[in-house]
Amino acid sequence: SQELEQSPQSLIVQEGKNLTINCTSSKTLYGLYWYKQKYGEGLIFLMMLQKGGEEKSHEKITAKLDEKKQQSSLHITASQPSHAGIYLCGADMGSNYKLTFGKGTLLTVNP
Amino acid sequence: SQTIHQWPATLVQPVGSPLSLECTVEGTSNPNLYWYRQAAGRGLQLLFYSVGIGQISSEVPQNLSASRPQDRQFILSSKKLLLSDSGFYLCAWSVGGVGAFFGQGTRLTVV
Repeated sequence: SQELEQSPQSLIVQEGKNLTINCTSSKTLYGLYWYKQKYGEGLIFLMMLQKGGEEKSHEKITAKLDEKKQQSSLHITASQPSHAGIYLCGADMGSNYKLTFGKGTLLTVNP
Repeated sequence: SQTIHQWPATLVQPVGSPLSLECTVEGTSNPNLYWYRQAAGRGLQLLFYSVGIGQISSEVPQNLSASRPQDRQFILSSKKLLLSDSGFYLCAWSVGGVGAFFGQGTRLTVV
């Protein structure tokens, strides 16, 4: 079974709408990383969360890690076409040196 | 500032041919280096990671190998490519933690 579940798999929203992407782990997370990827390109680092209850924001994107450190959400406010792409969460599960990734969420923002 | 270079961007190779993908990092010393493969619908799979020159850890048995001849150079190789080696290969680095910063990727098509 997948250690890191990401939902939804895909999401289509109208420009200006808010949206949330979730990342859930079956294990306690030592760190949670959010990335954005355009098709055929590398991953762009967005944010890192390490502490339970932590919340970080960058422009219109907010990421939170729950108190139990097993679930994270990425929230985009007033979405724009530039937000379109694949969002991936990567987790440090205490295995040293490596991240486990979710399968990604494909976001489409219609103008 | 740190940068990561990965090349080539795209590659089409016949079955049975050798492979060499190169990745270099600038602006940092003694990074942890990673090779990931991304297949459609399957997320990112860690193939190899290295914490120092000549130190390679393999995550999955496969037709590929990795080498780290210099501190900031990481090479992914194969002696004979298989059709199943097709995919999007990403190099990444990190320092002092697990989080990773990614290169632009190489799209490998084995025909």
